[in-house]
Amino acid sequence: NAGVTQTPKFQVLKTGQSMTLQCAQDMNHNSMYWYRQDPGMGLRLIYYSASEGTTDKGEVPNGYNVSRLNKREFSLRLESAAPSQTSVYFCASSERDRAYEQYFGPGTRLTVT
Amino acid sequence: GENVEQHPSTLSVQEGDSAVIKCTYSDSASNYFPWYKQELGKRPQLIIDIRSNVGEKKDQRIAVTLNKTAKHFSLHITETQPEDSAVYFCAPGGNQFYFGTGTSLTVIP
Repeated sequence: NAGVTQTPKFQVLKTGQSMTLQCAQDMNHNSMYWYRQDPGMGLRLIYYSASEGTTDKGEVPNGYNVSRLNKREFSLRLESAAPSQTSVYFCASSERDRAYEQYFGPGTRLTVT
Repeated sequence: GENVEQHPSTLSVQEGDSAVIKCTYSDSASNYFPWYKQELGKRPQLIIDIRSNVGEKKDQRIAVTLNKTAKHFSLHITETQPEDSAVYFCAPGGNQFYFGTGTSLTVIP
């Protein structure tokens, strides 16, 4: 079992460029999440998907879009990257009724110049 | 949404001493109270959680206590070891979970 995987591990973008962060889980979890982690800010929820076919905004959704491609995969897209989106991005998954027990991917370190 | 605060933000202890981290929250509907540990450069991992109908839970050297009336819960680590050095996050919630800003614990050998 790979658990939760994310690609890429590192990315540098110029302002205005777009990119998609990929996430996949092999634990048959219904719920998936995207967080960003900034120094001193903890983990902030961007979007989540409680089940296949549904997505909802979290605390900081502006500037991002998501796609729940199937039960395994949940992608995060930056349409026009800004320096304020420089961060470490974590994907996570959980069983639907155990959202307090989230399993995280290794993270993607994104720098926007 | 939930307003979550953690104290202290940094904590240094001598190896073998105890460490206590407190988390306060605002949403009285929260009914799950997990703690996550994140080692440097690694992903967060759940280490212990407590539900609203339980006052205390212990797992070897770590324990969590909950005071629902006062809306706070605490992580207790006894007999600290260097491998306990990490950032600890509380994440109270029910349907959604809101992470605190983290406590950086350093255990000095």
